[in-house]
Amino acid sequence: ILNVEQSPQSLHVQEGDSTNFTCSFPSSNFYALHWYRWETAKSPEALFVMTLNGDEKKKGRISATLNTKEGYSYLYIKGSQPEDSATYLCAFNTNAGKSTFGDGTTLTVKP
Amino acid sequence: EAGVAQSPRYKIIEKRQSVAFWCNPISGHATLYWYQQILGQGPKLLIQFQNNGVVDDSQLPKDRFSAERLKGVDSTLKIQPAKLEDSAVYLCASSLGGTVRNSPLHFGNGTRLTVT
Repeated sequence: ILNVEQSPQSLHVQEGDSTNFTCSFPSSNFYALHWYRWETAKSPEALFVMTLNGDEKKKGRISATLNTKEGYSYLYIKGSQPEDSATYLCAFNTNAGKSTFGDGTTLTVKP
Repeated sequence: EAGVAQSPRYKIIEKRQSVAFWCNPISGHATLYWYQQILGQGPKLLIQFQNNGVVDDSQLPKDRFSAERLKGVDSTLKIQPAKLEDSAVYLCASSLGGTVRNSPLHFGNGTRLTVT
């Protein structure tokens, strides 16, 4: 069983604050790292697919970086809004197509 | 494109009863996954299909859980008999295939199972 860890477990911020979370994963047998956003009463939605060491991806106010050599990825949210409230999941993928998820970081943005 | 369809959305059963969940993946997606998500934890893979063959079922409690994808399209997950600890959200996901590196998972809305 692969060990994928996310921190912090939960986070409460004020609207307008910037924040970041961490996903740690095994540095061997890396194939891809996925980030998902899971809003209450909805299905998890893919945010980023990251495959190369040093990758940086951006979608609006959300961005992510990847370091495969040391086994971590950061997700950043700039100027958090209440609609960013969700659980953010990372998934480590092997070349066998298996996705192992972390336990997620639950973000609450207060207006 | 139509998303991943799952049913039912909610299910409440008593322990020792059986239950079945259904999933229809996105058309053309070869890989189908069933995940169990217990409150406060991340999704845990139960079984992964590539077309109609099982790729990984190492974490499926085979004494009570079974799954099939007979025609390589839709899939059914069954629990018989259910235990209290089976209370969870059961997520179905599909993707183009494990060798397609940039292919993320597409999830259904899940089935929230409560075992009393």
